[in-house]
Amino acid sequence: DVVMTQSPLSLPAALGQSASISCRSSQSLVHRDGQIYLSWLQQRPGQSPRRLICKVSNRDSGVPDRFSGSGSGTDFTLNISRVEAEDVGVYYCLQGTHWPWTFGQGTKVEIK
Amino acid sequence: EVQLVESGGGLVQPGGSLRLSCVASGFSFRNYGMSWVRQAPGKGLEWVAHINQDQSDRWYVDSVKGRFTISRDNAKNSLYLQVNTLRGEDTAVYYCATSGTVRGDKAYWGQGTLVTVSP
Repeated sequence: DVVMTQSPLSLPAALGQSASISCRSSQSLVHRDGQIYLSWLQQRPGQSPRRLICKVSNRDSGVPDRFSGSGSGTDFTLNISRVEAEDVGVYYCLQGTHWPWTFGQGTKVEIK
Repeated sequence: EVQLVESGGGLVQPGGSLRLSCVASGFSFRNYGMSWVRQAPGKGLEWVAHINQDQSDRWYVDSVKGRFTISRDNAKNSLYLQVNTLRGEDTAVYYCATSGTVRGDKAYWGQGTLVTVSP
């Protein structure tokens, strides 16, 4: 199985400042169709997960442009610029290239 | 409004069985691959099973193979997960989600149903 390793696992972030989460996969996430199926999901306290970013850098509808994704191959990053209180929660990277689809351990973002 | 509503969770003894259901509305259910994803209490997410639109493909994570069965009824806009021979480590909130979540298609998730396996 593809192992997804996130860092840091805990991220205290100041309001208005930027925050960055890294995700590394144990093997290439380039699918045979040429796409890279790497997504980022947000899970706010007490809520179901919500996708923010798909295919490395494509923001979902309604997601603030403060969120951006980048990366290639096996190294990926989620950036949150100008952190807001509503950004508190756990963020997961998710690979959909190889079955079983696997998540990172999650990064807990809190306001410091 | 898109909705996925799970039901069927509960407290069950080790070795027991349950049938989880998910009813979809607000989108064309028959056109979407569907999945079950679980989350143990206070833990991360695990993708458990996927089924394609016509049930010709069903994939399972190794830890549930032979014990869980995913199925769907497109006429009823419903997804199911039959969970047998339950173990303590199966205790989790089980979410119904569109498989398109992983490929950049529509990403719809339910609110989850809790399965607790305990003597």
